[in-house]
Amino acid sequence: NAGVTQTPKFRILKIGQSMTLQCAQDMNHNYMYWYRQDPGMGLKLIYYSVGAGITDKGEVPNGYNVSRSTTEDFPLRLELAAPSQTSVYFCASSRKGQDRVLSGNQPQHFGDGTRLSIL
Amino acid sequence: TQLLEQSPQFLSIQEGENLTVYCNSSSVFSSLQWYRQEPGEGPVLLVTVVTGGEVKKLKRLTFQFGDARKDSSLHITAAQPGDTGLYLCAGGNTGGFKTIFGAGTRLFVKA
Repeated sequence: NAGVTQTPKFRILKIGQSMTLQCAQDMNHNYMYWYRQDPGMGLKLIYYSVGAGITDKGEVPNGYNVSRSTTEDFPLRLELAAPSQTSVYFCASSRKGQDRVLSGNQPQHFGDGTRLSIL
Repeated sequence: TQLLEQSPQFLSIQEGENLTVYCNSSSVFSSLQWYRQEPGEGPVLLVTVVTGGEVKKLKRLTFQFGDARKDSSLHITAAQPGDTGLYLCAGGNTGGFKTIFGAGTRLFVKA
């Protein structure tokens, strides 16, 4: 079972370049998330999606865009890379619960991350 | 804004010692989850506690959810080098499904 797959694992970008971080899950999960993890700062939610065609901003969405055309895929786009976006990016997915609160209690399954450096 | 504070931030102990890490907030959460993250990998769920006062055991790990559902603790008995990692607590938002993560406790167990 692949679970959540992220590509690439590492990438170095120049300031102003653009790129797309790929995320795919094979568990038929409704909910998908993008987080960034900075040293000593825990995980910050960038964007999330409750299903195909539906996305919403998280805590730190500026400088990023997402799309969710299928249940399986949830790519994250950086249009104009900035040094402040140097981080480790994690994609996660979870099942839908019986209601919104129970959905929040569902375990999240994470990919292994993409380490992104912007110079 | 809901926040989760974890303490200590870093802990280095000898194999065989016991330890407790804490996850505190002024907000009420619908659930508390504990994850462990190893270098180069994503977090992996250890446990979810849902009921105030709930205690769950996973081998040498004991998790407790505070009575008021604002805090949680993780106790490890007789720590082993394999317990080394970053321990993250995460709170289920009572207003919706978004999860709030703490900054983590980095544990190093020396053989």
